[in-house]
Amino acid sequence: GQNIDQPTEMTATEGAIVQINCTYQTSGFNGLFWYQQHAGEAPTFLSYNVLDGLEEKGRFSSFLSRSKGYSYLLLKELQMKDSASYLCAVMDSNYQLIWGAGTKLIIKP
Amino acid sequence: GAVVSQHPSRVICKSGTSVKIECRSLDFQATTMFWYRQFPKQSLMLMATSNEGSKATYEQGVEKDKFLINHASLTLSTLTVTSAHPEDSSFYICSARALNLAAETQYFGPGTRLLVL
Repeated sequence: GQNIDQPTEMTATEGAIVQINCTYQTSGFNGLFWYQQHAGEAPTFLSYNVLDGLEEKGRFSSFLSRSKGYSYLLLKELQMKDSASYLCAVMDSNYQLIWGAGTKLIIKP
Repeated sequence: GAVVSQHPSRVICKSGTSVKIECRSLDFQATTMFWYRQFPKQSLMLMATSNEGSKATYEQGVEKDKFLINHASLTLSTLTVTSAHPEDSSFYICSARALNLAAETQYFGPGTRLLVL
């Protein structure tokens, strides 16, 4: 079966750095996505990785290792507005997105 | 760019009535649109994949006669919840895969919160 695993909840301090991990097992791979979802709102696109390595975009970076079936989202200089759920999703061989359950990130002052 | 709108944003209806939700890609063409449902504190659940000009592909367990999907143009897909019941109350979100942008990326609408009384 297809499976995406990420921690249910994480807590971090304002101004700090946090890494949210995602491991996956899917039938085929056409890229991995990270989305941010604030409570009561739709997800917004953060990043897309299809090749191994680190993609940096401002305070957010995303890393992929296809051989390990592993990705992480790194958030630097955390702000209170970063409190949200972070969804990891993998596009399988049929170009369908397989979604993780999301990681709820709580930022404390 | 890559803006997707949904209408209405919130709807309350009586049990047994039908509700139509519109999903539009505003600044790009979308050959494929997706309809998701999300219950509180749960992840997104794909309901169906909609391709312009053809019948939608429904996920297992989703009743195609209850959730009618029409993808009439490259910028509009509609989801009609027929004979809605309280258990259909949920957050319905559409997304669109851009034809002329990064083809793999899905852009989400703001969602429609449906409450069936």
